[in-house]
Amino acid sequence: AQTVTQSQPEMSVQEAETVTLSCTYDTSENNYYLFWYKQPPSRQMILVIRQEAYKQQNATENRFSVNFQKAAKSFSLKISDSQLGDTAMYFCAFMIQGAQKLVFGQGTRLTINP
Amino acid sequence: DVKVTQSSRYLVKRTGEKVFLECVQDMDHENMFWYRQDPGLGLRLIYFSYDVKMKEKGDIPEGYSVSREKKERFSLILESASTNQTSMYLCASSLSTSGSPDTQYFGPGTRLTVL
Repeated sequence: AQTVTQSQPEMSVQEAETVTLSCTYDTSENNYYLFWYKQPPSRQMILVIRQEAYKQQNATENRFSVNFQKAAKSFSLKISDSQLGDTAMYFCAFMIQGAQKLVFGQGTRLTINP
Repeated sequence: DVKVTQSSRYLVKRTGEKVFLECVQDMDHENMFWYRQDPGLGLRLIYFSYDVKMKEKGDIPEGYSVSREKKERFSLILESASTNQTSMYLCASSLSTSGSPDTQYFGPGTRLTVL
């Protein structure tokens, strides 16, 4: 079975700082996908970024980037120049290739302070 | 934009009641999912459906059932609600059952309290 672990229940940084959220996973599969989802307070969950395991290049979406270390089974999210609107719960998630089911981590509550 | 809607944002029910949670998506997605979200546990998959009248158990199906009679609608049923089913319930949908994973789009959630 696949598991996803987010070891930081809560984090807090000042606006404009850079913050890194950690995620590790466990799987015996070789082909899979990793995701970061964001759930703002009282708003719908949205996809932030995704990474295909077969790609060595780390995914980037504007201020959001990942550090994917396949051998270490690590998938961290870096948010640069953090903004107040980045305040949210962040979930790391895993999906085996060919399946459509996501396995989520426990979540990290991120607060950006003015 | 993809829109996933859920019938209620907040719901309060009594132990033993039959509870229906409804989810509707408007983008002709094939896959639909029901998760429950609990603090410290993240999201856990209850059931999912990849086609009309098709369903598969997720990781925590006990105490729940589902119904998908139309492509756009996926219902979660609590046959006899219990206090340990107090939780946030999230519905999601994604486009297809092809090998490449499609983005899951989430509804706003239903916070269910069972007294």
